[in-house]
Amino acid sequence: DIQMTQSPSSLSASVGDRVTITCRASQGIYNYLAWYQQKSGKPPKLLIFGASTLQSGVPSRFSGSGSGTDFTLTITSLQPEDVATYYCQKYNSVPFTFGPGTKMDIK
Amino acid sequence: EVQLVESGGGLVQPGRSLRLSCTVSGFTLSDYTLSWVRQAPGKGLEWVGFIRSKANGGTTDYAASVKGRFTISRDDSKRIAYLQMTSLRAEDTAVYYCTRMTFWGHGTLVTVSS
Repeated sequence: DIQMTQSPSSLSASVGDRVTITCRASQGIYNYLAWYQQKSGKPPKLLIFGASTLQSGVPSRFSGSGSGTDFTLTITSLQPEDVATYYCQKYNSVPFTFGPGTKMDIK
Repeated sequence: EVQLVESGGGLVQPGRSLRLSCTVSGFTLSDYTLSWVRQAPGKGLEWVGFIRSKANGGTTDYAASVKGRFTISRDDSKRIAYLQMTSLRAEDTAVYYCTRMTFWGHGTLVTVSS
């Protein structure tokens, strides 16, 4: 099975910072990659699918890029409400594995 | 408005069975692939399995950790998807979500303990 890794596992940044999270697949998955945001005690929320397509209603400060094995989620200007754990997920073939998550908080 | 509501969670002894339900509204269940995802306390997300849309054959696939023990099905007339869980283990303790990828339920907690 294809393994998904994320880095960093946690990060602390200031409001207004540009933040980047990396997701790597152990084999190529084309662009079948989604990013989710999960706030404490809530279900995940889809941010990006197809590696770079912003889900409707998601603020434009979120963006995704990459294809094949290496992907990034970028927040161009971190806001206090972005405190959450972020997960990537592959969906090119089963199993639809999630990455281990990146926990983000505000300095 | 699209909604997914899970139910059926609770405390169950190891080795026993439990069936979770996901009642949907605002869309036609058979038109979409519906997944179950779980999250153990304090841990990350784990894909459990899915049932494909009717157009894609309505077949199912599962994570290796639950294959042979869990079964996903749906009753389109009742607008309910099910996750039948058998031979439950302590490591199956988690919040179980049903999801259409863009929409998620709020989850139901399953605790496996004697």
